[in-house]
Amino acid sequence: GQQVMQIPQYQHVQEGEDFTTYCNSSTTLSNIQWYKQRPGGHPVFLIQLVKSGEVKKQKRLTFQFGEAKKNSSLHITATQTTDVGTYFCAGPGQAGTALIFGKGTTLSVSS
Amino acid sequence: EAGVAQSPRYKIIEKRQSVAFWCNPISGHATLYWYQQILGQGPKLLIQFQNNGVVDDSQLPKDRFSAERLKGVDSTLKIQPAKLEDSAVYLCASSLDSWGQGAGEQYFGPGTRLTVT
Repeated sequence: GQQVMQIPQYQHVQEGEDFTTYCNSSTTLSNIQWYKQRPGGHPVFLIQLVKSGEVKKQKRLTFQFGEAKKNSSLHITATQTTDVGTYFCAGPGQAGTALIFGKGTTLSVSS
Repeated sequence: EAGVAQSPRYKIIEKRQSVAFWCNPISGHATLYWYQQILGQGPKLLIQFQNNGVVDDSQLPKDRFSAERLKGVDSTLKIQPAKLEDSAVYLCASSLDSWGQGAGEQYFGPGTRLTVT
């Protein structure tokens, strides 16, 4: 069945270093969403990308949607301790209904 | 604006017992989702409602799980009987989209952490 994969599974950085997580889908996606889940918390929506090759920025976060609409990335510049958490990408299932989530990338930041 | 409400927040039961979770979505949101999140994994959809109709329940273990959304607002998810592997966080989410597609931002509730012993 359709799969959404993320790498790396874990990443530890020093505060101020950059961080990137990659997301790959086994099928072409109509859109991709990114969520952040803080430890002990629930997923919180960050952004949705719809167009091929789309790039969106939110302060220190840069999101990209691949040209083939099968992959995406999230890049954080100059990480801060507030960036700690698990970042999930998610895309609509083949039936076009609910989201299929990746396993997430857990980011830890030491000061 | 009030967020998605869920109760209880925590539940511990023994295997073979039954348990029910409740969710109240954001007012006006047509679509409601129940997800199961096992430790270290992403949320996995169990069932999706649009208003009070089921859109997708293909991954719901129907021999033990059931869900309803009467009147198209609140929803309950039940497990009977519970198994050890049901230990997880059960997340409810809602979205504005009225076409039942996975294209809209989803708002998640705080979740119910279920432990089955």
